[in-house]
Amino acid sequence: ETGVTQTPRHLVMGMTNKKSLKCEQHLGHNAMYWYKQSAKKPLELMFVYNFKEQTENNSVPSRFSPECPNSSHLFLHLHTLQPEDSALYLCASSQETGEGNQPQHFGDGTRLSIL
Amino acid sequence: GIQVEQSPPDLILQEGANSTLRCNFSDSVNNLQWFHQNPWGQLINLFYIPSGTKQNGRLSATTVATERYSLLYISSSQTTDSGVYFCAARDAGGGADGLTFGKGTHLIIQP
Repeated sequence: ETGVTQTPRHLVMGMTNKKSLKCEQHLGHNAMYWYKQSAKKPLELMFVYNFKEQTENNSVPSRFSPECPNSSHLFLHLHTLQPEDSALYLCASSQETGEGNQPQHFGDGTRLSIL
Repeated sequence: GIQVEQSPPDLILQEGANSTLRCNFSDSVNNLQWFHQNPWGQLINLFYIPSGTKQNGRLSATTVATERYSLLYISSSQTTDSGVYFCAARDAGGGADGLTFGKGTHLIIQP
């Protein structure tokens, strides 16, 4: 989906490194999401931002730190990750109307490997 | 929170066959989407279908909201249809703002 762009596409990092994942949406949406897909598991919601405000943290460890400076950009800052954090991280956006009935559009994901 | 269950978990078919994938959900929904995840991990939006029936080429989907299920139909399967098909739903009763995904159906189309 070209409307939601994620960088980098692949990232390999050590457990002591600090890195950030970036997501940008070009659809004029007001809500953005981070999802995690581990091997052999369904996608799991991590964070939700509506109008730049975090509205949901799905019990995510503090080594994952989201940032949403505006409605078009979403970051996921990573520090002191564990090998089990290796996964595909997907960003999505939607136009929230308050009734929650709009489709979400996904980026191509960042495949993260922790050494 | 809402539960989303997909069946079958795996499906192997010959090229040209038709298939039906099912998604059951435990609560009322205000968003239901079907996705195809290709081998590179990209999630392709197939349908946004919280209720009713839609068709797009060889694919169609039906959601019967009152009975809490959705079906994805693939006709005249091609090898490029292979991949994992996910159903995802959002609880209309004020649960999580994001989507809850099923475990997916892994479809393999053999030539």
